[in-house]
Amino acid sequence: GAVVSQHPSRVICKSGTSVKIECRSLDFQATTMFWYRQFPKKSLMLMATSNEGSKATYEQGVEKDKFLINHASLTLSTLTVTSAHPEDSSFYICSARVTGTSGRRSYNEQFFGPGTRLTVL
Amino acid sequence: GENVEQHPSTLSVQEGDSAVIKCTYSDSASNYFPWYKQELGKRPQLIIDIRSNVGEKKDQRIAVTLNKTAKHFSLHITETQPEDSAVYFCAALSGGYQKVTFGIGTKLQVIP
Repeated sequence: GAVVSQHPSRVICKSGTSVKIECRSLDFQATTMFWYRQFPKKSLMLMATSNEGSKATYEQGVEKDKFLINHASLTLSTLTVTSAHPEDSSFYICSARVTGTSGRRSYNEQFFGPGTRLTVL
Repeated sequence: GENVEQHPSTLSVQEGDSAVIKCTYSDSASNYFPWYKQELGKRPQLIIDIRSNVGEKKDQRIAVTLNKTAKHFSLHITETQPEDSAVYFCAALSGGYQKVTFGIGTKLQVIP
């Protein structure tokens, strides 16, 4: 399957600082990437949909000025947590959507990055 | 928007027994239903999926069934093994952006 990388894998920062997380599709181009947040023992919550060359679409309740998303190229999307606070501590996962057809079969799959564990002190 | 409910939240089975996880969805426009397995501290991995034009799909010990009329789909794991222990998420794709809505997850424990 397609490979999605995420960097960094872990980050610890002080309250008030900003943290940037990168999501890259390594062997394919992704016009759409998704950013999720996962609390311990909880499901993945979609934060926003990142579309290459346009503004991200944020889910209800997600502050777009707090979580800045930039999808500058077909292989890179970044999430910046601005002025981080302890309640922003979480596991952040990106995914990249791959669509296409193979013969008669059409596919629409998401491949997940390994995640970034953010701890805000 | 789409709402996906999943149950049970935890499931313990003896090795060799079968496990069944059930999900329901609300948006009749949803047409793609993947299942993900997430091991502790790792990323979700797609294990099987089904599209709305199919009622059942099987891959070795894993099978998924879909009932469009009732808007529910299920994951079946037969002959469970300890390495099947993980959290399983069902999901549904809907909407113009094809965003994925996940169920709350089921923690499966296979007891040796």
